[in-house]
Amino acid sequence: KAGVTQTPRYLIKTRGQQVTLSCSPISGHRSVSWYQQTPGQGLQFLFEYFSETQRNKGNFPGRFSGRQFSNSRSEMNVSTLELGDSALYLCASSLATGENGYTFGSGTRLTVV
Amino acid sequence: QKEVEQNSGPLSVPEGAIASLNCTYSDRGSQSFFWYRQYSGKSPELIMFIYSNGDKEDGRFTAQLNKASQYVSLLIRDSQPSDSATYLCAVNANAGKSTFGDGTTLTVKP
Repeated sequence: KAGVTQTPRYLIKTRGQQVTLSCSPISGHRSVSWYQQTPGQGLQFLFEYFSETQRNKGNFPGRFSGRQFSNSRSEMNVSTLELGDSALYLCASSLATGENGYTFGSGTRLTVV
Repeated sequence: QKEVEQNSGPLSVPEGAIASLNCTYSDRGSQSFFWYRQYSGKSPELIMFIYSNGDKEDGRFTAQLNKASQYVSLLIRDSQPSDSATYLCAVNANAGKSTFGDGTTLTVKP
């Protein structure tokens, strides 16, 4: 059974650019969550999509957005990149409500220069 | 007050000892509680989840939940050097949203 796949693994972008990250959940999983992980802030919840609808949202600015497709694959977009956006972005999937926990992908390491 | 708080750590135990990791949460409506393990340079991996008050055992791991005290703990018996990692406590108050603590780094010394 394939795990959660995130692409790309590494990205280097310049301030002001935008970036799109991709996540393919485990087959059959309909919930996809995105987290930002930094040494200083730990794992911070960005948003969660379920059946193509954003069901939960964290406290991030509007520059951070996402979407989910009918096949449950999800993308996350960050516009007007800032140096502080440098982080590991993790995608996690679950069947529906996450009551049995999440399976994480390997993450995308974003560096903004 | 943070929504999920963990022992600041780091925690160091000798091989074969019991490691005890603690977590408190602020939302009394929280329903599901999780422990994840994260090795350096890797993504978090789910090791235990618990919903009901009391203990839940899985091999060398025991999760304990006390909703009245808003407290979750993880005990690792017969600790091994391979258990050295950061342990993350997570809580679900809403369906689909997990809030994580900052983690406790455990080192098991041979």
